[in-house]
Amino acid sequence: AQSVTQLGSHVSVSEGALVLLRCNYSSSVPPYLFWYVQYPNQGLQLLLKYTTGATLVKGINGFEAEFKKSETSFHLTKPSAHMSDAAEYFCAVSDPGGFKTIFGAGTRLFVKA
Amino acid sequence: DTAVSQTPKYLVTQMGNDKSIKCEQNLGHDTMYWYKQDSKKFLKIMFSYNNKELIINETVPNRFSPKSPDKAHLNLHINSLELGDSAVYFCASSLAGGGPYNEQFFGPGTRLTVL
Repeated sequence: AQSVTQLGSHVSVSEGALVLLRCNYSSSVPPYLFWYVQYPNQGLQLLLKYTTGATLVKGINGFEAEFKKSETSFHLTKPSAHMSDAAEYFCAVSDPGGFKTIFGAGTRLFVKA
Repeated sequence: DTAVSQTPKYLVTQMGNDKSIKCEQNLGHDTMYWYKQDSKKFLKIMFSYNNKELIINETVPNRFSPKSPDKAHLNLHINSLELGDSAVYFCASSLAGGGPYNEQFFGPGTRLTVL
């Protein structure tokens, strides 16, 4: 069975600092991995996705993530945090053959001025 | 032009009542979903539909009955509402169900409060 673990339910950074949100996955088949962002009182929107090919994936708003098979990780980074990045971030893994996406518990990112 | 829309946005009702939430997508997607997000932001899939056919029912009580009249619509009817049903319900759609096609587009959510 597939699963996703996000390390840290809350992360706080200063504006301009590096953002690092951690995600580890478990999958018996090559995974398809996603990061979504949820702003307050909104639905989720896709930040980026890993399917196959290049292990460093670039997304919207300056975010990127690196797929590391040996570490079963898919951490999300952004070099310089902006106040507008404050939101809830979800890592997710998709079943290749089915119709199910498993979401992590989410990490709330706080950005301090 | 809204891609995935849900109505209503807020729903406040008494225990024991029956209510419905409607969802429509204009993306031409084949697959639609219902998710429940609890107060701790945990997101759990409830149902997924592909071309109007139920594919996944994640051990949801049978008080919850989804209906897909066509590929663009997936409605959720809830009977005999309970306090524990209070949550935000999200509708989503994707091009198809599997793997890389499972990038999902979410609606704005319906906040259900059961008193």
